[in-house]
Amino acid sequence: GQNIDQPTEMTATEGAIVQINCTYQTSGFNGLFWYQQHAGEAPTFLSYNVLDGLEEKGRFSSFLSRSKGYSYLLLKELQMKDSASYLCAVRDQDAGNMLTFGGGTRLMVKP
Amino acid sequence: DTGVSQDPRHKITKRGQNVTFRCDPISEHNRLYWYRQTLGQGPEFLTYFQNEAQLEKSRLLSDRFSAERPKGSFSTLEIQRTEQGDSAMYLCASSPTRGTEAFFGQGTRLTVV
Repeated sequence: GQNIDQPTEMTATEGAIVQINCTYQTSGFNGLFWYQQHAGEAPTFLSYNVLDGLEEKGRFSSFLSRSKGYSYLLLKELQMKDSASYLCAVRDQDAGNMLTFGGGTRLMVKP
Repeated sequence: DTGVSQDPRHKITKRGQNVTFRCDPISEHNRLYWYRQTLGQGPEFLTYFQNEAQLEKSRLLSDRFSAERPKGSFSTLEIQRTEQGDSAMYLCASSPTRGTEAFFGQGTRLTVV
């Protein structure tokens, strides 16, 4: 099975940088995903890592270390609209390539 | 709109009633997933289809839950004899066979009273 851990809540200031960590344990790792979810809305895809290293996409970057079972999502130049839940999910090839989600990190951006 | 579509968006039902939700995936996507999400939690996997074949089903899914995907197109999720604990957002997602991310629909919010 999988075990995915991420902090429950984080608070940051507008314009700042925030790093959301995710650790996981899985038998057939086949990629790690980050999704953003605003309250009452569907999750939307942010990033995907399958190899070690940093993937950058505008203000958002995601890092993966497979040996450590660790990823982080880095958000730069925070905006108020970034207040949302950020979901870490792992794809397991031993389980039909389904995504297993962590509990999500609720990020509050303050002025 | 070419995204994942779910119907209805909201459903209120009395305990003990049966409910059925529908999901229309993105047309070229072979894989279809159902998840359940409660407030403050991440989505919890329920079941997964590759075309019309149901390949995975969560151990957490009781016998009251059943899902189908006839002809490998739309899917339905039925909950029989609903209980208050079934109140949640039911999310559908689809992805291509060799794709990366899954695309989510807007979800069906179920309230059992």
